[in-house]
Amino acid sequence: SQTIHQWPATLVQPVGSPLSLECTVEGTSNPNLYWYRQAAGRGLQLLFYSVGIGQISSEVPQNLSASRPQDRQFILSSKKLLLSDSGFYLCAWSMAPGGETQYFGPGTRLLVL
Amino acid sequence: GQQLNQSPQSMFIQEGEDVSMNCTSSSIFNTWLWYKQDPGEGPVLLIALYKAGELTSNGRLTAQFGITRKDSFLNISASIPSDVGIYFCAGLLYGNNRLAFGKGNQVVVIP
Repeated sequence: SQTIHQWPATLVQPVGSPLSLECTVEGTSNPNLYWYRQAAGRGLQLLFYSVGIGQISSEVPQNLSASRPQDRQFILSSKKLLLSDSGFYLCAWSMAPGGETQYFGPGTRLLVL
Repeated sequence: GQQLNQSPQSMFIQEGEDVSMNCTSSSIFNTWLWYKQDPGEGPVLLIALYKAGELTSNGRLTAQFGITRKDSFLNISASIPSDVGIYFCAGLLYGNNRLAFGKGNQVVVIP
C-alpha cells in the first residue's frame, strides 16, 4: 500500500531564515505530487504541483520554491522566510495520469517568528 | 481557480443526529471527493465519486454526485463524537489534475 510522509512535523523558524520541508511517497511510481498551504480559516491553497522529476508548476507567485530531485520526493524551500509564510503545509500525491484522487500527508506546522 | 461553495460552514449537532452538507459550483466536474480533517492532521479521503448520479456509502457516510455534475452532498448518519472535524469537498474538472476545494464545514458533535 502507498504511504506519504512529511518531515518535520513542526517547525519554528525566525524571519529571514531558510526553509526546507520534505515529502516522500512509498509504494507507488511516478506519482503526481502537490504542495498545499492551509492558513487559519481552513482553505487549502495549491502552491506547486509536479508530474515528474524536475517538472514543477507554480500556482501562485510567492516566497517559496519546490523541487523534485527524485521520483517520490518533493521538497518545499525558501531562501528567506517571511512572517506570512506561517501555516500548515500539506503534501499530497495522486496516480498519474489523471490524478483524480489525491491523498494527503500528515502535514508540517510552520511558525515564523 | 474554480470556486466550490460549501455549506454550511459550521454545524453543532447532537450525538445521534444525522448530518447533511453539500457543495455546489457553477462549473461541471468529473470527480467529487469528500475529505475529513482532524486538528493538526492532513485530510483523509472519505468517499470518491466518479459518475453523475453515483451514490456511494462508506459505513455511516453517504455521498452523491449530482446529476448536473455541479454539486455533491455528504450525509453522516447517527453521528458520534469522533465525527468531529472539518469536512472538505473537492472537485476535479475534466482534463485537469488540480483539485478545487471547498472552504470546509466544521462539525461539532455534542454528547
